[in-house]
Amino acid sequence: DGGITQSPKYLFRKEGQNVTLSCEQNLNHDAMYWYRQDPGQGLRLIYYSQIVNDFQKGDIAEGYSVSREKKESFPLTVTSAQKNPTAFYLCASSTAIRGGTEAFFGQGTRLTVV
Amino acid sequence: AQSVTQLGSHVSVSEGALVLLRCNYSSSVPPYLFWYVQYPNQGLQLLLKYTSAATLVKGINGFEAEFKKSETSFHLTKPSAHMSDAAEYFCAVSDPGANNLFFGTGTRLTVIP
Repeated sequence: DGGITQSPKYLFRKEGQNVTLSCEQNLNHDAMYWYRQDPGQGLRLIYYSQIVNDFQKGDIAEGYSVSREKKESFPLTVTSAQKNPTAFYLCASSTAIRGGTEAFFGQGTRLTVV
Repeated sequence: AQSVTQLGSHVSVSEGALVLLRCNYSSSVPPYLFWYVQYPNQGLQLLLKYTSAATLVKGINGFEAEFKKSETSFHLTKPSAHMSDAAEYFCAVSDPGANNLFFGTGTRLTVIP
């Protein structure tokens, strides 16, 4: 089945550690996104990528990094510089970055700092 | 800049009653508008979208929304609520040529048996 796969579903991290969240899509979509979701705050954009080897910061990129070495993969690293990383992270993709194109979402990764 | 406001972070309806979830947008140009649904600990699923065609948009699971430019609104409705409709609903907006979807803060719908 075509779709977006995020792994792991649950992730625990100790303070001061970097951690990488995986996002893979087999929809042949050019654009990929990472959102952070906190209760009562909706979704906020962390990073997005229009094509391979290119990505742009979103509204809350500080403390995060990404790479886009392959069209189907867009991993997100939460670094120790992110002061409040506990959240639900959602990866999405779309055929192109332009208005009117809906995004397809993965099932999310819940990250908890312990 | 685009933005959306969802009035009411929590809405409760009885099973069989009308569902009305409110969304108002702010955009400098005619926008594209979306409604997504999220079940607990899952990703978002598209319910419907408005892209400047018919102002009344029908989506999945019996939901529909009407684009009203004069009111800058895109409210989501369903004539008769089912227990399975209990979820969180997000309104989102993007401008033509934009490179992002701007999401509202969400409305949690509870359906009372």
